[in-house]
Amino acid sequence: DVKVTQSSRYLVKRTGEKVFLECVQDMDHENMFWYRQDPGLGLRLIYFSYDVKMKEKGDIPEGYSVSREKKERFSLILESASTSQTSMYLCASRFRGPSNQPQHFGDGTRLSIL
Amino acid sequence: QKEVEQDPGPLSVPEGAIVSLNCTYSNSAFQYFMWYRQYSRKGPELLMYTYSSGNKEDGRFTAQVDKSSKYISLFIRDSQPSDSATYLCAMTPSGGYQKVTFGTGTKLQVIP
Repeated sequence: DVKVTQSSRYLVKRTGEKVFLECVQDMDHENMFWYRQDPGLGLRLIYFSYDVKMKEKGDIPEGYSVSREKKERFSLILESASTSQTSMYLCASRFRGPSNQPQHFGDGTRLSIL
Repeated sequence: QKEVEQDPGPLSVPEGAIVSLNCTYSNSAFQYFMWYRQYSRKGPELLMYTYSSGNKEDGRFTAQVDKSSKYISLFIRDSQPSDSATYLCAMTPSGGYQKVTFGTGTKLQVIP
């Protein structure tokens, strides 16, 4: 079974702090993704990575950056946290094959910015 | 207008009922269709993954795709209280990496 592990289930930070969310997958997947999930808005793509050291902006990249130094690890960084970034953050990964393989998700990090 | 529309519910059914969950979409390029189940305070878990039109069955779950109507369904037979969760539909075009578009989810409650 695919295992996507997010380092924290719950996190509370203060406005202006630099926040790091970590994600690790154990299936040697090339592609990794960060989403945020908000009631009524569904899942919105923040950033994704095709492979190591590669990154692409998603639909809502403002205020975020990412890092992918190793294939199994994808980090989301909130440069200067704001209350509008309070949300559920979901990491996903997938195998890059000839067909569009489905994404597999971690259990999420519920982030509160005070 | 959203590319993918999904009724948010909540949908309440008695245990043992047949449940029908649906999504409509507007992008005719979508070729791959997925259903995810998300329990409270957990991440989405892949339930069904289908390509193009037709039916796919897995135990009590059946996924149905009607591309001519741009309509997909997930049927749950003999529903159980453990099926209570939010169900997300998702879809993507074919060819290389393509962005996945998710519905906002339908909350299902199965009452014992």
